[in-house]
Amino acid sequence: NAGVTQTPKFQVLKTGQSMTLQCAQDMNHEYMSWYRQDPGMGLRLIHYSVGAGITDQGEVPNGYNVSRSTTEDFPLRLLSAAPSQTSVYFCASSYLTDILSNQPQHFGDGTRLSIL
Amino acid sequence: KQEVTQIPAALSVPEGENLVLNCSFTDSAIYNLQWFRQDPGKGLTSLLLIQSSQREQTSGRLNASLDKSSGRSTLYIAASQPGDSATYLCAVTPMNTGFQKLVFGTGTRLLVSP
Repeated sequence: NAGVTQTPKFQVLKTGQSMTLQCAQDMNHEYMSWYRQDPGMGLRLIHYSVGAGITDQGEVPNGYNVSRSTTEDFPLRLLSAAPSQTSVYFCASSYLTDILSNQPQHFGDGTRLSIL
Repeated sequence: KQEVTQIPAALSVPEGENLVLNCSFTDSAIYNLQWFRQDPGKGLTSLLLIQSSQREQTSGRLNASLDKSSGRSTLYIAASQPGDSATYLCAVTPMNTGFQKLVFGTGTRLLVSP
């Protein structure tokens, strides 16, 4: 029972490099999302997906790409990393019906990303 | 735009004290409000979820209240323990955005000293 798994846990990049943050869940959740957490600010929604093949932008999508080819995986791509993207990134998942049944989302342990 | 504020930003108490964490939000049109716990280097663990129609929820030593009309919630922790030391986050699910697009506060960092 792994829940939501994020890899890597830590990463240091140079400005301009690209990378993909991985997120996988084994609960067959339709809804998956990415948040970033910065000091002095609450978690902010980057992108979300309501099912395979369907993605949409959140509050702070610029500089990030996502795709959802399977129900289990929702990778977050940084095409050209910038220092402003230094942050802790969290992935979350839930059933679509959870919002009606008021069930909480499941969060991964986060990826700590530093961009020099 | 929904905004969530948490006061205080940090709190230090001796073991055994009862304490209250505060959360306020600007738009009362919400599906629910959640309190999360975040330990250093870890993800978020949901503690309590209060539906918009509810006034409070309890789990063990934790009690969360919701006053939707005034845009306020409190998390009451009874008989605090060193193991309660963590950051506590409040988040709401706005009604006008759909799905579980949570809007988070900045958190209260709690330290309980033995």
